[in-house]
Amino acid sequence: EDQVTQSPEALRLQEGESSSLNCSYTVSGLRGLFWYRQDPGKGPEFLFTLYSAGEEKEKERLKATLTKKESFLHITAPKPEDSATYLCAVQATPISNFGNEKLTFGTGTRLTIIP
Amino acid sequence: DARVTQTPRHKVTEMGQEVTMRCQPILGHNTVFWYRQTMMQGLELLAYFRNRAPLDDSGMPKDRFSAEMPDATLATLKIQPSEPRDSAVYFCASGFTGIGYSQPQHFGDGTRLSIL
Repeated sequence: EDQVTQSPEALRLQEGESSSLNCSYTVSGLRGLFWYRQDPGKGPEFLFTLYSAGEEKEKERLKATLTKKESFLHITAPKPEDSATYLCAVQATPISNFGNEKLTFGTGTRLTIIP
Repeated sequence: DARVTQTPRHKVTEMGQEVTMRCQPILGHNTVFWYRQTMMQGLELLAYFRNRAPLDDSGMPKDRFSAEMPDATLATLKIQPSEPRDSAVYFCASGFTGIGYSQPQHFGDGTRLSIL
């Protein structure tokens, strides 16, 4: 069974204080690893997809990296508007041509940036 | 920006009542997903459709939940009869997928359901 574990559960940073969020996963075969951002009262908002170990993607102050067992979301010089819950999800490689679109989500890291 | 639209945004009802949640996927997306989010379990996939055909509903309690896509612009999730343990936020997501490829799922803002 696919599993995703995110740490820490919550993180408070001062504005400008860089840090990293961790996503550890076990999956039979990785088709893709996804990062989403979720604001209170809203649905998850797509950030990145990573497909293979060594891949990196960047967007503004965020950079996502991937190894064979985990992914990191690095936040550089964060601002208060980066406060949100960050969710990681994995999609397994389908075992047949039928396809597998299921995402297995972690429980998220709640990030708070203090001005 | 195109968005997934869910209605209602909030629903409070008594145990035993029927609840219907609706979703309008992004135009052009062929795959629609229903998720449930709770504090304890996080986001869980209930069911999904491709080209309006159900592909996987293994996450859904079959005795009281049902999901349908009457047409390409409407997906519904029904609970009958509802129970207090069904209280959660229900999200719809849509994406474009095919054999060997898939695009990211895009989520609506959810229906917050409270069963008294």
